[in-house]
Amino acid sequence: SQTIHQWPATLVQPVGSPLSLECTVEGTSNPNLYWYRQAAGRGLQLLFYSVGIGQISSEVPQNLSASRPQDRQFILSSKKLLLSDSGFYLCAWSVPYGGFSTNEKLFFGSGTQLSVL
Amino acid sequence: AQKVTQAQTEISVVEKEDVTLDCVYETRDTTYYLFWYKQPPSGELVFLIRRNSFDEQNEISGRYSWNFQKSTSSFNFTITASQVVDSAVYFCALSEAQYGGATNKLIFGTGTLLAVQP
Repeated sequence: SQTIHQWPATLVQPVGSPLSLECTVEGTSNPNLYWYRQAAGRGLQLLFYSVGIGQISSEVPQNLSASRPQDRQFILSSKKLLLSDSGFYLCAWSVPYGGFSTNEKLFFGSGTQLSVL
Repeated sequence: AQKVTQAQTEISVVEKEDVTLDCVYETRDTTYYLFWYKQPPSGELVFLIRRNSFDEQNEISGRYSWNFQKSTSSFNFTITASQVVDSAVYFCALSEAQYGGATNKLIFGTGTLLAVQP
């Protein structure tokens, strides 16, 4: 069966420090991968998605970047964190596109609560 | 543009009451998909249902039921005989059909916090 791992669960970082959040998926190949952010009291906002190794699409301009060095590894990074980067970050995966899109459901990780102080 | 509105920010009910969570969406596409996710206090989003725009049949799964009304662009979620374990944030989401090789980008509403009191 497929599983998704995301770590760390919580992180407290000072403003200006770097960030690296990691997400890995097991039990599937060539998944579509996503990073979402949930700000306090708000819905989930799609930050990045990836359809393959080295292929990253950004949905909103921001202080963050994403990378996919391996098929089932998705990393969210920042060189210098801002206060506004605080939030709950969720990694997700879905089955790869297979012809006619059926918009398969997303499977989410357990999230990382990031506090930038 | 796509948009999902969950006007109810918080709902509090007493156990065994029925509760309906509202979801209204906007899209220009004729083919789209609607989802409901549950986010318990642990934080992980749990998939509940996916419905495509061509299937307006209501669905029932145990105590959960969904009412899809294209005429009003709504996809409401009802929990019958609520239980304390139903306490969570519930998100409605929309995605438009992607052609030519793309991903399933979900647009989420802001969520409804449901508190079920014993």
